[in-house]
Amino acid sequence: EPEVTQTPSHQVTQMGQEVILRCVPISNHLYFYWYRQILGQKVEFLVSFYNNEISEKSEIFDDQFSVERPDGSNFTLKIRSTKLEDSAMYFCASAPGLAGLEEQYFGPGTRLTVT
Amino acid sequence: KQEVTQIPAALSVPEGENLVLNCSFTDSAIYNLQWFRQDPGKGLTSLLLIQSSQREQTSGRLNASLDKSSGRSTLYIAASQPGDSATYLCAVSGASGTYKYIFGTGTRLKVLA
Repeated sequence: EPEVTQTPSHQVTQMGQEVILRCVPISNHLYFYWYRQILGQKVEFLVSFYNNEISEKSEIFDDQFSVERPDGSNFTLKIRSTKLEDSAMYFCASAPGLAGLEEQYFGPGTRLTVT
Repeated sequence: KQEVTQIPAALSVPEGENLVLNCSFTDSAIYNLQWFRQDPGKGLTSLLLIQSSQREQTSGRLNASLDKSSGRSTLYIAASQPGDSATYLCAVSGASGTYKYIFGTGTRLKVLA
């Protein structure tokens, strides 16, 4: 069964460094999402991406964050200058067409630790 | 703004019990409601998806119902087992025409052997 994959599973970085989290969505899916979950807190929406552009972003998704689909298969989340409060589990999700009506499929997550 | 609440926050039951987890949402104009399981430090395992036109979905010992008009969903777990111990999350999409998922706070379930 097709699945969303994410790499790395765990990333440790120093404050101020740039990180890129990678996701490979399910082939033929058209909608892509990033969510994050700070330890002990709710899963929060960050950004949605469709047709090679951001379709929606949350207040969390400020200028430090960017997303890209560089090669038609990968979907990346970049954090330019990490802060301690960026430490969280980051989940990628993808959905087929008619995104609002169909299930989002989640990846296993990348645990980001900022020291 | 959509708010999703789950009650109870934590639940501890003996093995074999049937149990009900609750999810409520403030904006009834949703497209989907999805239940997930999350083990400590792990990812999200999808359990059941209910589309807005549906009233319930079943998978094995799990049954999820949806009452859009009252803004409620329940997840029923029959004959609970220690392996069911996890945090259960509900998420809704579609309020105010947005496709993003809004997640609830979760119910932490412990099934005692």
